[in-house]
Amino acid sequence: AQSVAQPEDQVNVAEGNPLTVKCTYSVSGNPYLFWYVQYPNRGLQFLLKYITGDNLVKGSYGFEAEFNKSQTSFHLKKPSALVSDSALYFCAVRDIAGTALIFGKGTTLSVSS
Amino acid sequence: EAQVTQNPRYLITVTGKKLTVTCSQNMNHEYMSWYRQDPGLGLRQIYYSMNVEVTDKGDVPEGYKVSRKEKRNFPLILESPSPNQTSLYFCASSLAGGGETQYFGPGTRLLVL
Repeated sequence: AQSVAQPEDQVNVAEGNPLTVKCTYSVSGNPYLFWYVQYPNRGLQFLLKYITGDNLVKGSYGFEAEFNKSQTSFHLKKPSALVSDSALYFCAVRDIAGTALIFGKGTTLSVSS
Repeated sequence: EAQVTQNPRYLITVTGKKLTVTCSQNMNHEYMSWYRQDPGLGLRQIYYSMNVEVTDKGDVPEGYKVSRKEKRNFPLILESPSPNQTSLYFCASSLAGGGETQYFGPGTRLLVL
């Protein structure tokens, strides 16, 4: 069965420091992987996706994610965190049938000034 | 502006009183979907539609109905709401399938008393 795990419920970083939000996946075949961000009282916003190609994917707002096939991971990263990055982050993988995204439980990122 | 809209944004109702949450997209997307978001569970798919007049169950369809009579609209119907349907609901759409980048509406927060 396909699944996504976000092992940390919360990540705390200081502004200006690098941040990493972790995601691991389990899926048959080649994975389609996504990161979304949810700000308070807002819908989910697409950040980036990996389908094929370069293992380092660049996305919106300075975020990037590294696909690691051997570790089945797709960690979200940013070199220098901003207070405005504080939000709820979701990792997702396409299901085998291509009819849905399977989401992790989400990780709350808190960036302190 | 390309967007997915949902109405209402907030709704308080009582057990058994039928309600409809509307969803509309202006991007000419083929695929639409409904998710519910619950703390600690992430997003779970309720129903999806690959095209007009084509709908199918997601992971948690019990107690919900949908219809897709027009390409742009995908209403979610709760015929007899129960307290366990208290949740945050999101409508999403994508160009051609569930495995593509999905664009989310702002969410509808439902409380069933």
